[in-house]
Amino acid sequence: QKEVEQDPGPLSVPEGAIVSLNCTYSNSAFQYFMWYRQYSRKGPELLMYTYSSGNKEDGRFTAQVDKSSKYISLFIRDSQPSDSATYLCAFGSGNTGKLIFGQGTTLQVKP
Amino acid sequence: NAGVTQTPKFRILKIGQSMTLQCAQDMNHNYMYWYRQDPGMGLKLIYYSVGAGITDKGEVPNGYNVSRSTTEDFPLRLELAAPSQTSVYFCASSYSLGQTISYEQYFGPGTRLTVT
Repeated sequence: QKEVEQDPGPLSVPEGAIVSLNCTYSNSAFQYFMWYRQYSRKGPELLMYTYSSGNKEDGRFTAQVDKSSKYISLFIRDSQPSDSATYLCAFGSGNTGKLIFGQGTTLQVKP
Repeated sequence: NAGVTQTPKFRILKIGQSMTLQCAQDMNHNYMYWYRQDPGMGLKLIYYSVGAGITDKGEVPNGYNVSRSTTEDFPLRLELAAPSQTSVYFCASSYSLGQTISYEQYFGPGTRLTVT
């Protein structure tokens, strides 16, 4: 079983749709749950960061962590063409600073 | 602040050649990382450093070497380039708050390397 699994997509939605992006993981020691956004030919940029469990909201973006199911989600409300990018989930544990990344999901939001 | 900078942006190498990918950060971050990203794949950790003079292997270190003589710089060396090293390379940095390491990594723009 892979440590992190993420559906690579691509996912295509119309502008204004609610988008749900998901990752599953197998390592119960993970405590840090991150979402990075990567535009084409650019470096990843941190979008959302959750420690332990629960939800976190930032504008149109909501990150959810379900540790019992080993499942994290990123929701994008009122999606915009500018949200078209690859979204990478990432996980950390302990005090190492090292992250394990998912494969990334490519999202296209059509005007 | 320039953040994390990487040079060169692009490079084509012949098999067996060597090169150094440069990475610098101006945020006074202790922790620095090198990743490679293959098409349709996530990021794989090559090497990381917890401070000047201290480096350690990541998940895929074979064929690479690093050094960290200053807080700002973290170059990645490819000694004998192979086609399997064709990839996009990203450098990242993060900080610590006392003894606690932040998992918020800041990435550079990447170096696209082709080995033919």
